Amino acid sequence: DTAVSQTPKYLVTQMGNDKSIKCEQNLGHDTMYWYKQDSKKFLKIMFSYNNKELIINETVPNRFSPKSPDKAHLNLHINSLELGDSAVYFCASSQFEFRTGGTFYNEQFFGPGTRLTVL
Amino acid sequence: AQSVTQLGSHVSVSEGALVLLRCNYSSSVPPYLFWYVQYPNQGLQLLLKYTSAATLVKGINGFEAEFKKSETSFHLTKPSAHMSDAAEYFCAVTEGGSTLGRLYFGRGTQLTVWP
Repeated sequence: DTAVSQTPKYLVTQMGNDKSIKCEQNLGHDTMYWYKQDSKKFLKIMFSYNNKELIINETVPNRFSPKSPDKAHLNLHINSLELGDSAVYFCASSQFEFRTGGTFYNEQFFGPGTRLTVL
Repeated sequence: AQSVTQLGSHVSVSEGALVLLRCNYSSSVPPYLFWYVQYPNQGLQLLLKYTSAATLVKGINGFEAEFKKSETSFHLTKPSAHMSDAAEYFCAVTEGGSTLGRLYFGRGTQLTVWP
């Protein structure tokens, strides 16, 4: 069974188009993330949702809009695509675990990635 | 704020040789540390994690890492490299509390294994 799945795996589109990437997790986790991996393989967080609520919103252009219809799904919609949006986008999920003192860690499980190419 | 530095963007070893991938972190509070592996055209897979328990952490595929607070390091090692270990390796750090699970990644180390 696939734990974190993304569709599509590859997405090739023209500049100016609008596209969406879907992510689903069947791990029962309460938190989901979107990361962007650039051409140099650097990974940077974009967004995070906890129980359908946006909790992390990094300095990402507002052309990017995440949507979480339920805690098992986190979709990423991108408007007016630009050449610089070409990258691999990874979805991830985790379950917060609280420990003594109120701290927690989260081990994130990643999807296979969506390679977006903007022409 | 946290950050991660991986020394050496490329490491090459012979099959059977020791693998050592370096990771140094900066964090204002005790960190949680992770090593992930990325095989070509795949997502990231967790190799091992440090969450303030034992400082020597064993992971999958024979990898282990040691948390050294005095050196702010979390280097990844494997005694004997295998061809199947060739991949990109990422070190990552997160803090508890208010960071809401943000993972900060290093820039990755590409491991090549020669026959």
